[in-house]
Amino acid sequence: ETGVTQSPTHLIKTRGQQVTLRCSSQSGHNTVSWYQQALGQGPQFIFQYYREEENGRGNFPPRFSGLQFPNYSSELNVNALELDDSALYLCASSGSGGPTADTQYFGPGTRLTVL
Amino acid sequence: GQQLNQSPQSMFIQEGEDVSMNCTSSSIFNTWLWYKQDPGEGPVLLIALYKAGELTSNGRLTAQFGITRKDSFLNISASIPSDVGIYFCAGQPVSSNTGKLIFGQGTTLQVKP
Repeated sequence: ETGVTQSPTHLIKTRGQQVTLRCSSQSGHNTVSWYQQALGQGPQFIFQYYREEENGRGNFPPRFSGLQFPNYSSELNVNALELDDSALYLCASSGSGGPTADTQYFGPGTRLTVL
Repeated sequence: GQQLNQSPQSMFIQEGEDVSMNCTSSSIFNTWLWYKQDPGEGPVLLIALYKAGELTSNGRLTAQFGITRKDSFLNISASIPSDVGIYFCAGQPVSSNTGKLIFGQGTTLQVKP
């Protein structure tokens, strides 16, 4: 069984640029959630994708957008990067069915630094 | 917005000691999850709780879903150096129709050999 994978591991961008982060869900999972974790904080929910549609969104501006593909992998796009966007971006997959379907398993994260 | 209050914020203990941490919320949760996160890595699921009153163990770890559905605790018995890390509680609020998880602020555990 393959776990959640994310790419790239690290990324450095400058203010105003755009970035795309990628996530492959754990095998058997059909739902992907994205979180932003600032240094010293708990993860904050950005949004969730289920069956290629956004299924809930946290308190993040529209310049944070996403996609889910038919194979359940997902992308997080951030436009017009700001310094405060520097964080660890985590992807979590879930949805294997049954009573534990909502249990989320996290990938290793992408560390984004905005200069 | 919904918040989880996790305590203590940090703990420094001697190897072999037991550890207890807890989370409380002002709202009701469907699910409580406990994760451990090492520096620069993603959170790793330790224990998942799905029913009020549920008590679940995973090796030296034990966690409970509070009867009021507004709290949970995690106990670690006989701590060892590899228990070092940041422990997060996370819950799925009843009011959410998505899989959104709310996280606590984390408990940083340090174990002295």
